[in-house]
Amino acid sequence: GAGVSQSPSNKVTEKGKDVELRCDPISGHTALYWYRQSLGQGLEFLIYFQGNSAPDKSGLPSDRFSAERTGGSVSTLTIQRTQQEDSAVYLCASSPSNQPQHFGDGTRLSIL
Amino acid sequence: AQSVTQLDSQVPVFEEAPVELRCNYSSSVSVYLFWYVQYPNQGLQLLLKYLSGSTLVKGINGFEAEFNKSQTSFHLRKPSVHISDTAEYFCAVSEGVGTYKYIFGTGTRLKVLA
Repeated sequence: GAGVSQSPSNKVTEKGKDVELRCDPISGHTALYWYRQSLGQGLEFLIYFQGNSAPDKSGLPSDRFSAERTGGSVSTLTIQRTQQEDSAVYLCASSPSNQPQHFGDGTRLSIL
Repeated sequence: AQSVTQLDSQVPVFEEAPVELRCNYSSSVSVYLFWYVQYPNQGLQLLLKYLSGSTLVKGINGFEAEFNKSQTSFHLRKPSVHISDTAEYFCAVSEGVGTYKYIFGTGTRLKVLA
């Protein structure tokens, strides 16, 4: 069966541009998570969606970051006016309710 | 607030030798504990999890971990490593029983030497 799919796998963009990162969770998984992994760092929680509940946005580092999840499935993480410190690997995970998370391979974002 | 500490950022070990990767956590509530492995340019794969019951948990690829509540530790072990075990290993704790919002450690890079 298909796992968590993220696109693009790599994204290079200029400082100041907006970027959109996409996550297709495993079918039927109600929970979806976004993390940021910077070089030499652990995983930093960004945002959590669970079913139709209001998302937990407590990890978003600034108002330049936003995410949505349409129809309880696909999610898009948007970074506006990108800065060089936004360069990182962005990982998406999904899970059935109260089950361990399954991760995608991530999007490597490089800001020039 | 909960936290996870992986004191060893890198662990070099010779092939077929045993290895232990350390993980300590802090929490005032019951937690679930996890170890994930990340191979280069890939996402994280679940190695094993502790939810309840036996404190010795066996996972994939010959790894096991022991939950020690008194020492708030969840160290990962393997009796004999292979070159293919070279990867980054992350310990994670969930914020309370029944939720799967994870707090991750900073990772330990295991390098298996021939």
